[in-house]
Amino acid sequence: DAGVTQSPTHLIKTRGQQVTLRCSPKSGHDTVSWYQQALGQGPQFIFQYYEEEERQRGNFPDRFSGHQFPNYSSELNVNALLLGDSALYLCASSLGLANQETQYFGPGTRLLVL
Amino acid sequence: DQQVKQNSPSLSVQEGRISILNCDYTNSMFDYFLWYKKYPAEGPTFLISISSIKDKNEDGRFTVFLNKSAKHLSLHIVPSQPGDSAVYFCAATLLNTGTASKLTFGTGTRLQVTL
Repeated sequence: DAGVTQSPTHLIKTRGQQVTLRCSPKSGHDTVSWYQQALGQGPQFIFQYYEEEERQRGNFPDRFSGHQFPNYSSELNVNALLLGDSALYLCASSLGLANQETQYFGPGTRLLVL
Repeated sequence: DQQVKQNSPSLSVQEGRISILNCDYTNSMFDYFLWYKKYPAEGPTFLISISSIKDKNEDGRFTVFLNKSAKHLSLHIVPSQPGDSAVYFCAATLLNTGTASKLTFGTGTRLQVTL
């Protein structure tokens, strides 16, 4: 049973570029949340997708957008990259919206913006 | 505004001894708290949680204590084992608003258990 998978594992972009990160939830899960973890910080909630809709959003600008597909996989898009967007991006999946304990995290995508 | 704080970035404990990791929060609306463990190159893994209606929850070697009046919680690991060496994150959420899966994390404490 595959857990949460994320691709790519590492990515290098330059300022102003756009990036798309991908997440496949754990089998049986239908909810995907995205977190940004800057160096030396804890993960910060970006947004959550359920039934292909954004259900909750953290304090992130509109440059951060997402999508959930019918197979529950999800993408995180970041436009007009800034140096400060360099971070580890974590995807977490769960069954339903309120299953905080059964959120499974993927290993993350490490994004470096130069 | 850091609503969940872990003021000790690192902690070193001898094998067999007790590890105590601390966490403070400022938002009194938080009603559910969780601890996650993270190994390098892996995502955080859920460890143990506690509801605000309790002051203690135990699971094997792991016990979480909650002091609501002080807005403080702690994770006790007894006895500590070398495999416990990892970064530990405290997280909080609002259970009664249907937004429970939105977690607010602390900055983490790196625990090293030495032989």
